[in-house]
Amino acid sequence: ELKVEQNPLFLSMQEGKNYTIYCNYSTTSDRLYWYRQDPGKSLESLFVLLSNGAVKQEGRLMASLDTKARLSTLHITAAVHDLSATYFCAVQTSGSRLTFGEGTQLTVNP
Amino acid sequence: DTGVSQNPRHKITKRGQNVTFRCDPISEHNRLYWYRQTLGQGPEFLTYFQNEAQLEKSRLLSDRFSAERPKGSFSTLEIQRTEQGDSAMYLCASSFHEEGLFFGSGTQLSVL
Repeated sequence: ELKVEQNPLFLSMQEGKNYTIYCNYSTTSDRLYWYRQDPGKSLESLFVLLSNGAVKQEGRLMASLDTKARLSTLHITAAVHDLSATYFCAVQTSGSRLTFGEGTQLTVNP
Repeated sequence: DTGVSQNPRHKITKRGQNVTFRCDPISEHNRLYWYRQTLGQGPEFLTYFQNEAQLEKSRLLSDRFSAERPKGSFSTLEIQRTEQGDSAMYLCASSFHEEGLFFGSGTQLSVL
């Protein structure tokens, strides 16, 4: 059974600081997704990573994928309050189903 | 088309009652998915359709749950004889083949 683990599960950081969220998964996968979820809202797609070594950046967020290590990272640069949300990684397996991690609840303090 | 639409947004029901949720996917998307999310957890896969065919069901989907997608368009998820443990956010998503999933706003179910 595929397991997807994120760490940390809770992250409190100051504005302007940098930090990385890690996502480990237990079996081979072709695709890895990062989603953002605000309280009471649905999931917003941030990144789709399709191959080993893939790196994507959007604003202050950068995601990378190492399929050999079965590891993806979401790096936050110079955090701002608007980034406060829960971030999920999700691994796609055969049949298109996504298996999600538990989520990382990020709070950015002024 | 403004995205994946789910109705109702909120549903409160008494234990033992039946409930039905509706999902309208993005129009050109051929795949439709149902997920369930409880507080503090990531979404859990329930089932998915390609066009009108239900291709995969999770073991989480007990006999009390049934999903349909007639004509490969909208989908319904019915829960019979609801239990308090069914309280959760039910999320629908759609995709075009294996491209990225787009999620709806969800239906929040509370079973009293």
